[in-house]
Amino acid sequence: DGGITQSPKYLFRKEGQNVTLSCEQNLNHDAMYWYRQDPGQGLRLIYYSQIVNDFQKGDIAEGYSVSREKKESFPLTVTSAQKNPTAFYLCASSIRWAAGGAYNEQFFGPGTRLTVL
Amino acid sequence: GQQLNQSPQSMFIQEGEDVSMNCTSSSIFNTWLWYKQDPGEGPVLLIALYKAGELTSNGRLTAQFGITRKDSFLNISASIPSDVGIYFCAGLRTGTASKLTFGTGTRLQVTL
Repeated sequence: DGGITQSPKYLFRKEGQNVTLSCEQNLNHDAMYWYRQDPGQGLRLIYYSQIVNDFQKGDIAEGYSVSREKKESFPLTVTSAQKNPTAFYLCASSIRWAAGGAYNEQFFGPGTRLTVL
Repeated sequence: GQQLNQSPQSMFIQEGEDVSMNCTSSSIFNTWLWYKQDPGEGPVLLIALYKAGELTSNGRLTAQFGITRKDSFLNISASIPSDVGIYFCAGLRTGTASKLTFGTGTRLQVTL
């Protein structure tokens, strides 16, 4: 089945530790995205990648880092510099970037809930 | 970053009733998307709109791309309990700064 997978579903971290969230897609999509969602709020963009080996900061990139070494993978690292990391993290992908029409429809993974203890 | 204004924020309706929600912006968008999110899950794409004035249906769902390109509407007819969830609109402007802008969400609860 084609889709986006995120792991783990639930993640607990001690304060001061870095943690990496996994996102994999087998849809052959060029563009991938990371969003953060806080209770009762909409989605805020952390980082996005238009193509392999390229990524750009979104609206709330501070305290996060990403890599895009393979087309199908876009891992997100939540560093100890992120002051309030407890949130629900969503990964998404789209066929292409800024191409218009259906190419920009973003499809989401099931999410990872990160809790900092 | 900007968020779209979505209303109502929440609504309680009875099973069988029709539902309307809308999304407005001060900016023009080229594409409008509507998503539904169940608790603890990722959003699922319901409907995509690409042209001003376009009206598109997906089962009991109908969405419209506003003629001014600054708003969009979603209607759900004859609601059922599984319609419960949060509905998000998202707008997109193509170009070098092409990123989805999300609405604040409408929480729908359906009572029997």
